[in-house]
Amino acid sequence: EDQVTQSPEALRLQEGESSSLNCSYTVSGLRGLFWYRQDPGKGPEFLFTLYSAGEEKEKERLKATLTKKESFLHITAPKPEDSATYLCAVQGRYSSASKIIFGSGTRLSIRP
Amino acid sequence: DGGITQSPKYLFRKEGQNVTLSCEQNLNHDAMYWYRQDPGQGLRLIYYSQIVNDFQKGDIAEGYSVSREKKESFPLTVTSAQKNPTAFYLCASSFRDGYNEQFFGPGTRLTVL
Repeated sequence: EDQVTQSPEALRLQEGESSSLNCSYTVSGLRGLFWYRQDPGKGPEFLFTLYSAGEEKEKERLKATLTKKESFLHITAPKPEDSATYLCAVQGRYSSASKIIFGSGTRLSIRP
Repeated sequence: DGGITQSPKYLFRKEGQNVTLSCEQNLNHDAMYWYRQDPGQGLRLIYYSQIVNDFQKGDIAEGYSVSREKKESFPLTVTSAQKNPTAFYLCASSFRDGYNEQFFGPGTRLTVL
């Protein structure tokens, strides 16, 4: 059964303190791994899609990496506006988009 | 600007009432989806539609119904048969089912009084 586990559940950092969020997945052939950002009371905002192990993508202070078993979202020198819940999701090679599995998210808080 | 809109933002339902949540997209996407989000849980798929006039049950379809009469619109009805409807409801769309990224609307918060 396809599974996604995100850790930690919550992370509090000081402004400028870099860290990483983890997304471990089990899927029968990865078609795509997705990262989203969700602010309280709002819909998820798409960040990245990663397709194969070794791939990396960057956007401002965020960099997503992918291995065969997990993905990391690295946050470099975060600012308070980076505070949000970050969601990871996976789609198996033999699944349709309707079968995307979402993790429960990591709640990131950046203190000024 | 292209995007997905949901209305209303907040909705209150009395016991025994049916309520309908609106979802509209102007991204020219074929596929549309409804998810339910509860605290501490991942998004759970309620219904999805790959094309106009066709839709399929997701993992938690009981107590919900949908229609897809237009490409742009995918309304969700929460019926009185749904015993625990208080949640945050998210509509999403993708270019075509099986084409990766889903894009989400702003959500509707439904509360049962």
